[in-house]
Amino acid sequence: GENVEQHPSTLSVQEGDSAVIKCTYSDSASNYFPWYKQELGKRPQLIIDIRSNVGEKKDQRIAVTLNKTAKHFSLHITETQPEDSAVYFCAASRENYGQNFVFGPGTRLSVLP
Amino acid sequence: NAGVTQTPKFRVLKTGQSMTLLCAQDMNHEYMYWYRQDPGMGLRLIHYSVGEGTTAKGEVPDGYNVSRLKKQNFLLGLESAAPSQTSVYFCASTGNRGADYSNQPQHFGDGTRLSIL
Repeated sequence: GENVEQHPSTLSVQEGDSAVIKCTYSDSASNYFPWYKQELGKRPQLIIDIRSNVGEKKDQRIAVTLNKTAKHFSLHITETQPEDSAVYFCAASRENYGQNFVFGPGTRLSVLP
Repeated sequence: NAGVTQTPKFRVLKTGQSMTLLCAQDMNHEYMYWYRQDPGMGLRLIHYSVGEGTTAKGEVPDGYNVSRLKKQNFLLGLESAAPSQTSVYFCASTGNRGADYSNQPQHFGDGTRLSIL
């Protein structure tokens, strides 16, 4: 089955710097890759996603890149702000008797003022 | 449009007791999921459903049962609660047949914090 690894597990950056989180997946049939942000005590919320027919997607300060050959995808946050502090989860998904999602273990991002 | 609603939000049980967690979605989604999230860990899939009347096992199904008698509801049951089942439980849904229902993001509920003594 699918296995998703995520690095680093914790990341501290200064406000205004960039943050990069990388995920690797094992199933070459996975074709949809969402990223979720989870603040303490709250639900995971989608922040950006990418499909396998696209190499990069950007939404204001957030971007995601996908390398299908190497089977990895990355989240890039520029000009970080204290409110970006949260746990970020990546996931890989494919259609297989429904849409199956496998999540990475998460990255705790701390943005220091 | 409430999205995904989970009840209850908090519950404390004694070992051996039973209970049912309810998940309701109003987005006409085909697929529904139950996850557990333990401290410092990611989301682990317990059971899921690809449509009304169907259920399937996920990564950690032991000790849990589910039912999807109505499309909008997905129930998670603990028949005999154990301390190892202390966790935060999240329900999620995705997939609207009105469009290309594959490769759509999941929508999560607010979670149920369950403690078993």
